[in-house]
Parts: sequence; structure tokens; C-alpha cells
Amino acid sequence: EVQLVESGGGLVQPGGSLRLPCAASGFSFSYYAMSWVRQAPGKGLEWVSAISASGGSTYYSDSVKGRFTISRDNSKNTLYLQMNSLRAEDTAVYYCAKHTNSWTVIDYWGQGTLVTVSS
Amino acid sequence: QSALTQPASVSGSPGQSITISCTGTNSDVGGYNYVSWYQQHPGKAPKLMIYDVSNRPSGVSNRFSGSKSGNTASLTISGLQAEDEADYYCSSYTSSSTWVFGGGTKLTVL
Repeated sequence: EVQLVESGGGLVQPGGSLRLPCAASGFSFSYYAMSWVRQAPGKGLEWVSAISASGGSTYYSDSVKGRFTISRDNSKNTLYLQMNSLRAEDTAVYYCAKHTNSWTVIDYWGQGTLVTVSS
Repeated sequence: QSALTQPASVSGSPGQSITISCTGTNSDVGGYNYVSWYQQHPGKAPKLMIYDVSNRPSGVSNRFSGSKSGNTASLTISGLQAEDEADYYCSSYTSSSTWVFGGGTKLTVL
């Protein structure tokens, strides 16, 4: 069974930083691309970032480019999202998500971790 | 990248069919057969219902179907059941090697 468990969320001040890990199990982590998707309270889903299976290719939405960094440690079956220069509009539940064999499809999601940016 | 356009809400009675539309551009929905649909119940993670416009993952009811015409994709749910009441989101891969979601549609089963 695929399991994705996010952690690291919490309250952070504007301008601050936070690192979100996502522990993966139940599948061969190193074979699949992964993404982060967020959902602001009461709002819709917003894709944030993706990383290839090897970690050699990364992609970002315009809203986080230059501030967030996605990475992975295939030896630890863990995905990361480093978030710097946080803004109030980054407040959201952050989901870790697995792609299928096809780079273009996201099939499994974690339960999410809440990040609140406020003074 | 602008969000795909979905109706804010749709409703139907048990047993009826409903269709949710998802409109994008030639750079996303219209340019690729890479549209997915997700179901999200309150407080839960999204669940993949349709991928590549019209394919169902194993375990998803055949009451759910997808299609696409031009820049607009559609999700149809037939034989509505109470448990179908949820938020539904479309998503498309884009020409920028990114993904874009729709704003979401709240389905109410009357």
C-alpha cells in the first residue's frame, strides 16, 4: 500500500523558512517522480513543484520559483520541500504526491501538513 | 499559469447524471490528452478518478467517465449516489512542463 506521510508544518513568521519532509513507503520510491501540491484554507488545489525520479530535473510554479526548493533522498525514501522567504499567501495544507509511470499523472497523495505564515 | 475554469457548483438527485466542465487553453487542456480528475471529501486528501482524459484507475467505479473536446474537458458521473458528494478538481499537464488545476466544483447530491 502506498503511504506518503508529510511532516514539518507549523506556524512561521513572514520572511521565515521551513522544511517539509515526506516519508514514502509501499512502492519503489526511486522509480517515480514526485510533486508538492498545496491548498489554502477553503480554496482549491495549486501545484507547487515537481522532481524527476532521479532528482536531476526540477520544476516550480511561478508563485514559488526562487523561494522554494524541492529535493529527494532516494536512499531514505524521502521527499523534501525547502521553503524560504515565506509570505502570508503561502499559508496552506501542503500535500506530497506521487506520479505514475507517466510523468504527467499524479496518482497518490499524502494527508498533508498545514503551514501557517503569520506574525 | 492561470487556473483551469470549472463551475463553482453542480447538483443532482440520486440516480441522475451530472457533468462538470473544465476549460483551459491550447497550452494545457487543448494541447495534450493529459487531463486528470480528482475527488476530495472534506478534510481528506484528493483521490484520482480519471487520468489521460478518459481512463479510470483500478477500483474507481465505471459510473465516472471523462471526455474532451477542444480546450474543454468534462467529467460525467452517472447514477449519482450520496457518497459522490464532494469537491472535484480537474488538472492538466502544460506546455511549460508544469501542472495546472481547476478552481474546483462542489457537487451536491440533493
